[in-house]
Amino acid sequence: AQSVTQLGSHVSVSEGALVLLRCNYSSSVPPYLFWYVQYPNQGLQLLLKYTTGATLVKGINGFEAEFKKSETSFHLTKPSAHMSDAAEYFCAVSPFSGGYNKLIFGAGTRLAVHP
Amino acid sequence: ETGVTQTPRHLVMGMTNKKSLKCEQHLGHNAMYWYKQSAKKPLELMFVYSLEERVENNSVPSRFSPECPNSSHLFLHLHTLQPEDSALYLCASSQGRLGSNYGYTFGSGTRLTVV
Repeated sequence: AQSVTQLGSHVSVSEGALVLLRCNYSSSVPPYLFWYVQYPNQGLQLLLKYTTGATLVKGINGFEAEFKKSETSFHLTKPSAHMSDAAEYFCAVSPFSGGYNKLIFGAGTRLAVHP
Repeated sequence: ETGVTQTPRHLVMGMTNKKSLKCEQHLGHNAMYWYKQSAKKPLELMFVYSLEERVENNSVPSRFSPECPNSSHLFLHLHTLQPEDSALYLCASSQGRLGSNYGYTFGSGTRLTVV
């Protein structure tokens, strides 16, 4: 069965510092991979996704992620954190089974940004 | 506006009440989902409808009853809830193809409080 592991339920960075949120997946074939962001009392918003092609994917708000098949990872990064980046981030995988589009989510990482 | 609209945004109900949550999308998607998000817990997939047919029901108590009258609307009927059912209920929609790379579009959620 496919699964997603997000290392670190809480990450805290200083404003202007590098953001690195880790995501590893288990899959017998390369799946489609997604990062979502959730602000307080809001739904999830798509940040970026990897389907095929270039392994470095750029998303909204200056975030990017790199698909590394050999490491089964899809870590999310941003060079310089902003206070407005404080939110919860979810990694998700779309497996090739089930007959319908089913996303499997990680447990989430809450990002805190302090001055 | 995310394309998926959930009403109401907030709901307070007693344990003996009956209420319904509504989700509406006009994105042309053919799969719709209910998720429960409780504090300090991962996203819990409750129900999946693909082409208006329920394809997944993850051991959800019978006090939650979904309804999908057409591909644009999804309801979650609630009755005799418990305080532990208090949570953010998220609706999402997607293209329902196998192995789709579309991901989900989420609504903003209904914050439910059971008193």
